[in-house]
This record gives sequence, C-alpha cells and structure tokens, in this order.
Amino acid sequence: QVQLQESGPGLVKPSQTLSLTCSVSGGSISGGDYYWTWIRQPPGKGLEWIGYIYYSGSTSYSPSLKSRVTISRDTSKNQFSLRLNSVTAADTAVYYCARGLGSSSPLDRWGQGTLVTVSS
Amino acid sequence: QSVLTQPPSASGTPGQRVTIFCSGSSSNIGGNTVNWYQQLPGTAPKLLIYTNNKRPSGVPDRFSGSKSGTSASLAISGLQSEDEADYYCAAWDDTLNGPDYVFGTGTKVTVL
Repeated sequence: QVQLQESGPGLVKPSQTLSLTCSVSGGSISGGDYYWTWIRQPPGKGLEWIGYIYYSGSTSYSPSLKSRVTISRDTSKNQFSLRLNSVTAADTAVYYCARGLGSSSPLDRWGQGTLVTVSS
Repeated sequence: QSVLTQPPSASGTPGQRVTIFCSGSSSNIGGNTVNWYQQLPGTAPKLLIYTNNKRPSGVPDRFSGSKSGTSASLAISGLQSEDEADYYCAAWDDTLNGPDYVFGTGTKVTVL
C-alpha cells in the first residue's frame, strides 16, 4: 500500500520560498503511469491543484502558479518536492501531496497534509 | 474562483438520496472525465468516483457518478451519518495557458 507523507517548515516569512518534501513508501516514484502531485487548501476554503511531476520526470504546473512553482524529485530517496517562491499570506494553506493515476489523474493516494503559514 | 460550480450545501435524512451537481464547460467537463472526492472533517480528501462513474475498491455502491455534456453529478443513496462531509468534483481544464486540474467549489453534505 503506497503511503505519502509531507514534511517541511510550518512557518514561512513573506517574500521567502516555501519548500516541502513528500516521502513515498510502498512504491517507486519512478515506476508506473503515476503523476506525483501537489494540492493546497487555504483554511476554510476549497482545493487548488499546484502541479505534478510525472514518473518520467516531466512536470506540469497550474497556469496561475507557474511563474513561482518548481516541483522536483530525488529518486534515490523516493521523494518529490515543492518550491513556491515569493510567498504572501495568500499562500497560507494545508499542502497535500498525492498520487495521480493515468492520464485523467484521479488522485487515489493522499498524504495527511501539512499546514504552512506565511507570516512575519 | 473555480471554473467548476457546485451548490455550497446539500442535506438529507438518513436513508434518503442526495444528488450533487457540478457544472463546467466544454474545456473541462465537456471534453474530459470527472473525478469526485470526499473530505471528512479534518482529514485529507479521498477519491470517491473516477472516470465519471467508476468506484475505487472499498467505496460503497451507495455512491454513484454520472456525466452529461458539461455537467456531472454525484448521487448518494441510502444516506448515512458518516457521509457528512465536503464533496468536490474535479476535471482537467484545457486552458489557453496550458492544462489545469480544476476542483469544484465544493458541497457540504449535512445529514439531518
């Protein structure tokens, strides 16, 4: 059973870079038709897709966040990561990592989520 | 502002049938498949329905999905107290700026 776990700082200052890592166990991030994905949810609000890194290493980002986002991976550690630059209070959210399956990418495995607050 | 619109709330008594609608456009629901997620309070979302009407292993057959044109719906039959949650539709949106995986605005289901 594949499991995902987010980790990273819970507090980031405005204008700095938010960095999170998702550790995957029970399956390889470089095998299979999987899209390793980041999603966020501001407190009390809905879900927002950030982007993914495909098992092959290719990436795709939300058009609204594209200029500030980088998703990368470390296959030796079976982890993938999120970097979001120039953060503001609007980036305060619970950040989830998830696994997308196939071209329609239903997200069938999720991490528990981690709250990141942007504040000075 | 999501491009997939859902009613903010829906409710029913135990045993009733509740249907949630998700309205989109030709660039998303009209041309791509729809997935549905259930988010229980304080937890991560869970995949409920994929590819319009398929249930992952372990999801009760009380949950069913359908799609027609640029809209989709999720039906919960035989409503139970543990179904009280937020429900989100989602689909790929083929935007001019590139593909975007969009979620609906979410519907809070209350069991009366």
